[in-house]
Amino acid sequence: GAVVSQHPSRVICKSGTSVKIECRSLDFQATTMFWYRQFPKQSLMLMATSNEGSKATYEQGVEKDKFLINHASLTLSTLTVTSAHPEDSSFYICSWTHVTYGYTFGSGTRLTVV
Amino acid sequence: AQKITQTQPGMFVQEKEAVTLDCTYDTSDQSYGLFWYKQPSSGEMIFLIYQGSYDEQNATEGRYSLNFQKARKSANLVISASQLGDSAMYFCALPWGTSGSRLTFGEGTQLTVNP
Repeated sequence: GAVVSQHPSRVICKSGTSVKIECRSLDFQATTMFWYRQFPKQSLMLMATSNEGSKATYEQGVEKDKFLINHASLTLSTLTVTSAHPEDSSFYICSWTHVTYGYTFGSGTRLTVV
Repeated sequence: AQKITQTQPGMFVQEKEAVTLDCTYDTSDQSYGLFWYKQPSSGEMIFLIYQGSYDEQNATEGRYSLNFQKARKSANLVISASQLGDSAMYFCALPWGTSGSRLTFGEGTQLTVNP
């Protein structure tokens, strides 16, 4: 099966700093990757779609300058939360879609901004 | 537009009993699929079961089965013989977008299994 590695699993940062979250596919390559955000007791909401080698597409209401996505290769995508604020505290999870393996999720990153 | 609705924020079930988690959907696609995921407190998304809209039989995977009623646009998850480890958040999801590459999720149901 397909394996996705997401790091870090948990991070606490100070308000105003930036945090980078990595999502790596370990045994497959896929051009498209999705980043979801989940607030406590809520559903997963799609934030953005990233395609290898091109700019990410952001969902309505998601600030592209705040959530920087870099999809540099077929196996790695990163999400950087810039100038983080307490309201950015959330659970972030990546997902790859592959024609054979279907939807594969990372293990998620719990971000707390203090 | 795709829409998924889960109307049960929380459900309780006694260990070893069966429980049904509700999911209704709305889609303009003629052919579609529905997914159920389990999310324990650790946060990982665990795939449970999939139902294709043209599948003649209701999907089953071990203790999980889908009560798929296409005309009613419902795809309820049935968990038989509940175990304590089944306590988790459960999401129904519907693919959308180019080639169904992304998922839209319902609000989720928090299931608690009591000993």
